[in-house]
Amino acid sequence: GEDVEQSLFLSVREGDSSVINCTYTDSSSTYLYWYKQEPGAGLQLLTYIFSNMDMKQDQRLTVLLNKKDKHLSLRIADTQTGDSAIYFCAERDTGRRALTFGSGTRLQVQP
Amino acid sequence: DTAVSQTPKYLVTQMGNDKSIKCEQNLGHDTMYWYKQDSKKFLKIMFSYNNKELIINETVPNRFSPKSPDKAHLNLHINSLELGDSAVYFCASSQDGARNEQFFGPGTRLTVL
Repeated sequence: GEDVEQSLFLSVREGDSSVINCTYTDSSSTYLYWYKQEPGAGLQLLTYIFSNMDMKQDQRLTVLLNKKDKHLSLRIADTQTGDSAIYFCAERDTGRRALTFGSGTRLQVQP
Repeated sequence: DTAVSQTPKYLVTQMGNDKSIKCEQNLGHDTMYWYKQDSKKFLKIMFSYNNKELIINETVPNRFSPKSPDKAHLNLHINSLELGDSAVYFCASSQDGARNEQFFGPGTRLTVL
C-alpha cells in the first residue's frame, strides 16, 4: 500500500530557510500536497504539485519533486515565528480520492 | 463564510455511549471525507462520500456509521464508544477533478473516559 514518510522535527532560527522533506512509495501518485496544521486547528492547504512537474514556487514556498527518487520537499524562505506548526505532506494516487498523509514534521522557529 | 464546519468542537463522553459529529460544507463540493488523527498526529482516512454515495470505507469498526443526508452534509455516528476512539476527527471536502484539493474543517476532539 501507499506509504508516506517525513522526519518528525525541524528547528530553525527566524529568518533562515526551512526545508521539510517527504518520501513516498506510490509510483502512481498524481498530485502531492503540503498542509499546515497550527496547534488546535484544522489542516490548511498550502500548496500542491502535479507529478509531471519538478518545481513549483508560491511566494515564500518552493516545492521540489524528484519523481525518480519519490522525494518531495517544501522550502520556506525567511521563516517566521508564525510558520511554527506541523507540516504534512500527502499524496493522492490515480483513481482514489482519499489522501495518504505522512506523519507530519513539527517546525519550531526560534526568535 | 465559505468553509467546512464541524460540531461540536469538543466532545467528552463516557465509554459505551453513542455520539454523533456533524459536518457541513458550503463550498458546493461533491465529495466529503472523515479522517481520524490520533494522539501522535497521524491522519488516516475513514470514509468518503461522493454525491451522497459511499465510495471509500477503510477498515473501520462497524460502530462507526457515516450518513450523508445531502451532498453538503456528512455526519459521523459512533456507537458504544471505546477508550481507543479518543482522537481528533476531521471532516474535509473536495470538488471532483484531477487536483482534488481537500479543504478541512476545524476538527472535533473526542475524549472517551
